[in-house]
Amino acid sequence: ELKVEQNPLFLSMQEGKNYTIYCNYSTTSDRLYWYRQDPGKSLESLFVLLSNGAVKQEGRLMASLDTKARLSTLHITAAVHDLSATYFCAVDLSGGGADGLTFGKGTHLIIQP
Amino acid sequence: GAVVSQHPSRVICKSGTSVKIECRSLDFQATTMFWYRQFPKQSLMLMATSNEGSKATYEQGVEKDKFLINHASLTLSTLTVTSAHPEDSSFYICSAEKGGTDTQYFGPGTRLTVL
Repeated sequence: ELKVEQNPLFLSMQEGKNYTIYCNYSTTSDRLYWYRQDPGKSLESLFVLLSNGAVKQEGRLMASLDTKARLSTLHITAAVHDLSATYFCAVDLSGGGADGLTFGKGTHLIIQP
Repeated sequence: GAVVSQHPSRVICKSGTSVKIECRSLDFQATTMFWYRQFPKQSLMLMATSNEGSKATYEQGVEKDKFLINHASLTLSTLTVTSAHPEDSSFYICSAEKGGTDTQYFGPGTRLTVL
């Protein structure tokens, strides 16, 4: 059974600080996704990581994937209040998009002025 | 981009009634769509995989007779919650993968409240 673990589950940080969210998964996977969810809303796609060593950056967010360690990270640089949200990582086993995603429990991020 | 819509966005119903939720891919075709459920302050759990023209595949623990899925076309999947009970109250979200993008696009979700 595939397990996806995120940590921390809750993070309160100040604006301007850096922090990293970790996502471990228990079995081999071809794809790893990061999503953002605002309260009462659905999911917004942030990153799709498809290969070992993949690194993607968008604004203050950077995601990386180490398939050998079965670990992905989401790094936040110089956090701003607008980044407050819940962040989920999710893993796809199939590689061909034919399977649904297994999600981590999510990291609830609060960025305070 | 790729847009997935859901209807209704919010529904309140009485216990024992059935509710149908529609999921549409607006600007692409999707042979496979997925249905997830999210309880308050929890993660998303995959309920079933909806396959166009064939039976849905349900995850362990999900009752197929209670959650009826129909994928009648390449742009529409429906989830019917039959004989709904208060414990079925949840946020139901569908997704579809657009070919060639390696990305699943999620609908805006349907919040179901069963009284």
